[in-house]
Amino acid sequence: EVQLVESGGGLVQPGGSLRLSCAASGFKFTSYEMNWVRQAPGKGLEWVSSIISTGYTVHYADSVKGRFTISRDNTKNSVYLQMNNLRAEDTAVYYCAREGGGGAYFYWGQGTLVTVSS
Amino acid sequence: EMVMTQSPATLSVSPGERATLSCRASQSVSSNLAWYQQKPGQAPRLLIYGASTRATGVPARFSGSGSGTEFTLTISSLQSEDFAVYYCQQYNNWPPHIFGGGTKVEI
Repeated sequence: EVQLVESGGGLVQPGGSLRLSCAASGFKFTSYEMNWVRQAPGKGLEWVSSIISTGYTVHYADSVKGRFTISRDNTKNSVYLQMNNLRAEDTAVYYCAREGGGGAYFYWGQGTLVTVSS
Repeated sequence: EMVMTQSPATLSVSPGERATLSCRASQSVSSNLAWYQQKPGQAPRLLIYGASTRATGVPARFSGSGSGTEFTLTISSLQSEDFAVYYCQQYNNWPPHIFGGGTKVEI
């Protein structure tokens, strides 16, 4: 069974940092692109970042470029999102998602809440 | 930049009725389009990929159609558990994997 478990969310002050983790199990981690998607309270889904299976290629939404860094450790079956210089508008539930080989997100974690507030 | 537009924003339907949701892409995405269902407090769930292929375990009352820039998700006979928010997502022109703004299906 595919499982994605996010952790690392919490309350942080504006300008602060957080590192989100997503632990994956139940599939061959090294074969899949991994993604982060966020959802602000009461709003829709926003793609944040993606990393291909090898980790050599990454992409970011313009809204987080230069502040967030995605990475993965294929020895630990985990993907990470380092978030720096956080802003109030980064407040959201952050989901880890696995693509299904063609691009659609077949599996999602339960999400972790990040709140940026003073 | 690619824009995905969903309509209507809210769809009021009675149980047993048919629901038709639309998604329009600002440029062609071929058939690289997915539909997701999200219920309150839950993560999104993949319903349809490749514009028309149901994901594993998705009931047959859900169907997707379209290609290029115009797509439709149809729920043939709404059940109580189908009241939720539905999102489309393109994965043809990457990055980004843009989502539409969502359609809320309510009673």
